[in-house]
Amino acid sequence: GAVVSQHPSRVICKSGTSVKIECRSLDFQATTMFWYRQFPKQSLMLMATSNEGSKATYEQGVEKDKFLINHASLTLSTLTVTSAHPEDSSFYICSANSQGRLGEKLFFGSGTQLSVL
Amino acid sequence: AQSVTQPDIHITVSEGASLELRCNYSYGATPYLFWYVQSPGQGLQLLLKYFSGDTLVQGIKGFEAEFKRSQSSFNLRKPSVHWSDAAEYFCAVGEGSGGYQKVTFGIGTKLQVIP
Repeated sequence: GAVVSQHPSRVICKSGTSVKIECRSLDFQATTMFWYRQFPKQSLMLMATSNEGSKATYEQGVEKDKFLINHASLTLSTLTVTSAHPEDSSFYICSANSQGRLGEKLFFGSGTQLSVL
Repeated sequence: AQSVTQPDIHITVSEGASLELRCNYSYGATPYLFWYVQSPGQGLQLLLKYFSGDTLVQGIKGFEAEFKRSQSSFNLRKPSVHWSDAAEYFCAVGEGSGGYQKVTFGIGTKLQVIP
């Protein structure tokens, strides 16, 4: 079946550094990918919609300069948390929208646990 | 704006017992509704979805859900729970093309299965 690979699964970084998270669709092309974050005991909150070849669309309250999204190809989107701070510690998860032979469906990565010290 | 409420944060059932997870939604038009399951360290897996038609939807792993417009509900059910069903379950409502352009999730219900 279709798989979305998200890497890394866990990252610990120092405050002030930047962290890049990759989201790849392995056997389908995804014109649209989505980035969510999940705090403990809370729901997944949509951060932004990533469209291949164009600028990402950010949800209200999400800083676009803080969370840089690049969707340079039909199989890869990246989320870079710039100048990370402890309050950015969270679980980040991506999803990719498949179309065509797989029908329209969302496939999710396994998530990235970010801990900022 | 669309929203999803899952009133039960944590549920414990005995293996072999029946299960019902509650979900209520708020959405102006006919909703696209989903149930996802998340096992530890795994991504979300789609159990079932409702777009239109028959209000009783069959999904994978023996799950089903019933859309009740009058109650704005989309409860998930399983007649006999297996230990492998222990996981976190998310109800979601979507909008846009196919319902996948913007998906709003509930807070999730953590299911514990005891022998």
